[in-house]
Amino acid sequence: AQSVTQPDIHITVSEGASLELRCNYSYGATPYLFWYVQSPGQGLQLLLKYFSGDTLVQGIKGFEAEFKRSQSSFNLRKPSVHWSDAAEYFCAVGANNFGNEKLTFGTGTRLTIIP
Amino acid sequence: GAGVSQSPSNKVTEKGKDVELRCDPISGHTALYWYRQSLGQGLEFLIYFQGNSAPDKSGLPSDRFSAERTGGSVSTLTIQRTQQEDSAVYLCASTRPSTDTQYFGPGTRLTVL
Repeated sequence: AQSVTQPDIHITVSEGASLELRCNYSYGATPYLFWYVQSPGQGLQLLLKYFSGDTLVQGIKGFEAEFKRSQSSFNLRKPSVHWSDAAEYFCAVGANNFGNEKLTFGTGTRLTIIP
Repeated sequence: GAGVSQSPSNKVTEKGKDVELRCDPISGHTALYWYRQSLGQGLEFLIYFQGNSAPDKSGLPSDRFSAERTGGSVSTLTIQRTQQEDSAVYLCASTRPSTDTQYFGPGTRLTVL
């Protein structure tokens, strides 16, 4: 069975500082990997996804993530955070079975931005 | 509409009552998913619909939970005899044919007193 671990429950970062959110997954084959962001009272918005190919993927809002098969990781990064990035971030893995892509999510990382 | 819509946005009910939650997927999206977001539990898959195929119900936590999708579009998630542990945000997502990106609605916050 697939699983996702986000080891950091809460991270606080100063505005303008760099950010890295960790995600480790467990899956028997090449996974589909996603990062979603959830702002208070909002639904989930897709930041980026990895299916195959280039292991460094670019997303919206200046985010990127790198797939490292040897480490079973898909960490999310941003070089300089903005106050509007404060939200909850979820990493997810999808079964590589085209057609039913039910996602398994991590428990999320809450990001706080301080001035 | 532009996105997935869900109604109601908030629902407060008494223990033992039945509730129905509605999801309107994006027009043209053939696949529809329900997830539950509980405090401390993260997001859990509940059920998946794709066209006329039998739904994948493997995530439903008990037989009090059921869902249907009428006409390949709108879906209703029904919880019978609600319990306090059913309190959560219920999220719906849909996808276009031949893609794997799920678009989520804003969710329904269910509170069982």
